Amino acid sequence: EAGVVQSPRYKIIEKKQPVAFWCNPISGHNTLYWYLQNLGQGPELLIRYENEEAVDDSQLPKDRFSAERLKGVDSTLKIQPAELGDSAVYLCASSTRLAGTDTQYFGPGTRLTVL
Amino acid sequence: AQSVTQLGSHVSVSEGALVLLRCNYSSSVPPYLFWYVQYPNQGLQLLLKYTSAATLVKGINGFEAEFKKSETSFHLTKPSAHMSDAAEYFCAVSNAGGTSYGKLTFGQGTILTVHP
Repeated sequence: EAGVVQSPRYKIIEKKQPVAFWCNPISGHNTLYWYLQNLGQGPELLIRYENEEAVDDSQLPKDRFSAERLKGVDSTLKIQPAELGDSAVYLCASSTRLAGTDTQYFGPGTRLTVL
Repeated sequence: AQSVTQLGSHVSVSEGALVLLRCNYSSSVPPYLFWYVQYPNQGLQLLLKYTSAATLVKGINGFEAEFKKSETSFHLTKPSAHMSDAAEYFCAVSNAGGTSYGKLTFGQGTILTVHP
């Protein structure tokens, strides 16, 4: 079974430029998460989707960040415009409640560097 | 509200020695608890999880953790460290239900170094 797929793995951009990250969750996982991981810290939740619906986006900086999951499968996270402080790793995870718990499986992440 | 504290941002052991990584949690409802491992430039891999069944949980790669409600702890142990265990380890907590269902709160991480 394929794991969570993310692309690109690495991205370097100039500040004020837009950037987008893509995530394809594990097949059958209806819940999808985007996390931000700063250097030396644990991941922090940005947004959680149940199918197409964003059920928790309280930590998403909506002035510059947006996300979508149009068909309830893959998802895109966008930053426009990027700032120097956005340099971090962006992790995608997915889960299903079928097993009774919300064990989350993570992708390899996208490492963003803003110059 | 929920939170996780990992005591010690860096732990160093010799190969073959006991590994002990400490995690304390705070949760207003019965928690689910997780340990994840992260190797350089990779995502997080689940080591083990506690979901209100047995308090001693066995995971992959010889790791185990014990849930102690009275101490609000979920420490990770391995009897004998291997060089390949060198990585960063994260403890995380989520709630079993309610509006916070699915929200994982992570600790700051502990970097494990294994010396030959």
